[in-house]
Amino acid sequence: DIQMTQSPSSLSASVGDRVTITCQASQDISNYLNWYQQKPGKAPKLLIFDASNLETGVPSRFSGSGSGTDFTFSISSLEPEDFATYYCQQYDNLLRFTFGPGTKVEIK
Amino acid sequence: QVQLEQSGAEVKKPGSSVKVSCKGPGDTFSRFAISWVRQAPGQGLEWMGGIIPIFGAANYAQKFQGRVTITADKPTRTAYMELRSLRSEDTAIYYCARIRILGILDLWGQGTTVTVSS
Repeated sequence: DIQMTQSPSSLSASVGDRVTITCQASQDISNYLNWYQQKPGKAPKLLIFDASNLETGVPSRFSGSGSGTDFTFSISSLEPEDFATYYCQQYDNLLRFTFGPGTKVEIK
Repeated sequence: QVQLEQSGAEVKKPGSSVKVSCKGPGDTFSRFAISWVRQAPGQGLEWMGGIIPIFGAANYAQKFQGRVTITADKPTRTAYMELRSLRSEDTAIYYCARIRILGILDLWGQGTTVTVSS
């Protein structure tokens, strides 16, 4: 099974800061990597699909990059509503999924 | 806003089973696959399995093989996830999600809380 790691597990940042989260797969997953945002008590929300594609309606301050085993998710300028937990998720062509452990973005 | 509608919260005894439903809008079940994901209290997201309703074919995470069954009823546009032999560690919020194209979970249910307690 493919394992996903994320770092950091949590971070503190201020409004306006640039935030970067990394996700690493245990083997090559090409660009089969998505990013989700989850706020307390809510279902996850898709932000980035296939490593670097912004989901419709998602602000352009969110971005993703990478391929193979190493991926990066960034928020260019943190807004108050961005404080949440972010998960990476890989998938394969048999519709099997693995989520990363998550990164909690907190207010400094 | 378009959303998958899930059944209500459940409280179950250890050793029993739970069946959670997930109803989709319009042509969801003729065009998309459905996945089930759970989240234990204070923990991350865990994929359980999924189904392609037009084929009736389901696949499961190895961890849940033999203990979970995912089905779909196209006429009622409803998917089901049944988990058997419940234990306290199965206490979690269970989500269904629509799979757009390959592995993109683009539409989620509101979640169903399942509590396993004696």
